[in-house]
Amino acid sequence: DVKVTQSSRYLVKRTGEKVFLECVQDMDHENMFWYRQDPGLGLRLIYFSYDVKMKEKGDIPEGYSVSREKKERFSLILESASTNQTSMYLCASSYDRGRGSPLHFGNGTRLTVT
Amino acid sequence: AQSVTQPDIHITVSEGASLELRCNYSYGATPYLFWYVQSPGQGLQLLLKYFSGDTLVQGIKGFEAEFKRSQSSFNLRKPSVHWSDAAEYFCADRSGGGSYIPTFGRGTSLIVHP
Repeated sequence: DVKVTQSSRYLVKRTGEKVFLECVQDMDHENMFWYRQDPGLGLRLIYFSYDVKMKEKGDIPEGYSVSREKKERFSLILESASTNQTSMYLCASSYDRGRGSPLHFGNGTRLTVT
Repeated sequence: AQSVTQPDIHITVSEGASLELRCNYSYGATPYLFWYVQSPGQGLQLLLKYFSGDTLVQGIKGFEAEFKRSQSSFNLRKPSVHWSDAAEYFCADRSGGGSYIPTFGRGTSLIVHP
């Protein structure tokens, strides 16, 4: 089974801090994604990557950046955390960009910015 | 742009009753459709997927879904619900967009009464 591991289940950070959310997958998947999940809004795509060192903006990239230096690891960076970034963050991977490739999700990181 | 609509925000059923969760997709070409489940505090898990062939697909945990092109629907069903099925359910379509980025519905929260 594919395993997608997010390094933290819960994080509490202060406004203005730089925050790193880490995600690792163990199945050599090409695609990786970062979503945020908020009540009533569903999943919103922040960034995705279809190869090492490649990144593409999703629907809500403002205030975020990403890094993919190795195929298995995809990091989400909040350059200067703000309270409106308090959310559940979900990382996902898929085998490739094919339409039939399902996403495999980590268990999420619940971030609170105070 | 493709869209996925889950008309019901909440569904309440009694344990042992049948269940149908609705999903409508907008993309005109052959859809690549998925249903995911998210248990409380967890990431999303794939229940089933449909690309072509038999329009009734079986998934894990006793779920099935039926693709109806005439109605642009891909509804999820289960004949007898268990209390452990209480969760958030997401429908997704990966057929459109330049990089085949999945489009998710906003989710349906299933509440199961004993």
